[in-house]
Amino acid sequence: DQQVKQNSPSLSVQEGRISILNCDYTNSMFDYFLWYKKYPAEGPTFLISISSIKDKNEDGRFTVFLNKSAKHLSLHIVPSQPGDSAVYFCAAHAEGSNYKLTFGKGTLLTVNP
Amino acid sequence: GAGVSQTPSNKVTEKGKYVELRCDPISGHTALYWYRQSLGQGPEFLIYFQGTGAADDSGLPNDRFFAVRPEGSVSTLKIQRTERGDSAVYLCASSFERGNSGANVLTFGAGSRLTVL
Repeated sequence: DQQVKQNSPSLSVQEGRISILNCDYTNSMFDYFLWYKKYPAEGPTFLISISSIKDKNEDGRFTVFLNKSAKHLSLHIVPSQPGDSAVYFCAAHAEGSNYKLTFGKGTLLTVNP
Repeated sequence: GAGVSQTPSNKVTEKGKYVELRCDPISGHTALYWYRQSLGQGPEFLIYFQGTGAADDSGLPNDRFFAVRPEGSVSTLKIQRTERGDSAVYLCASSFERGNSGANVLTFGAGSRLTVL
């Protein structure tokens, strides 16, 4: 039973265009959602987060949107750069168990020059 | 150190052998976590330490897996009688204790890739 789902294993985008990575979840107890980026042979690195009481959070080229009623969030990267090519993981946790992140399977983003 | 350090980066062992994986967290981080990432999957929670004690070990798959953090800093994940299904990347992460408010941002190490033949 996957509580966090990333249904697109891969996404290919042209440099300069928008990348949209999607994530769905089933557990309504989740209070916080995080996006991590992972390069090969490195650990995941934190990108951006959003609280369940917000619907948008922005940090530079990265914006995360949350639709709580649809249990759906998305990460927008504008403009996309070749260095953004990596695996992106969506993760979530509840406030009372903030040590236990539940991750999706990840989406491999390739940004073509 | 500047980041979370994990050793070895790669470990190949034979079925039935014992392995130890080490994690050196960021200095000052009191919380330490172990996750496991199998091929094609996202990281999965194994165990969480608050200081020296395991506050939640509910993610450990069975009693062949054990982890310690005797002095509240370095942690060792121990796997007995390894099986082929244990092959995965074992990720360690650390963070400051933040109570129950705000997103908990974990800083991960590069992982230890375990291959059981």
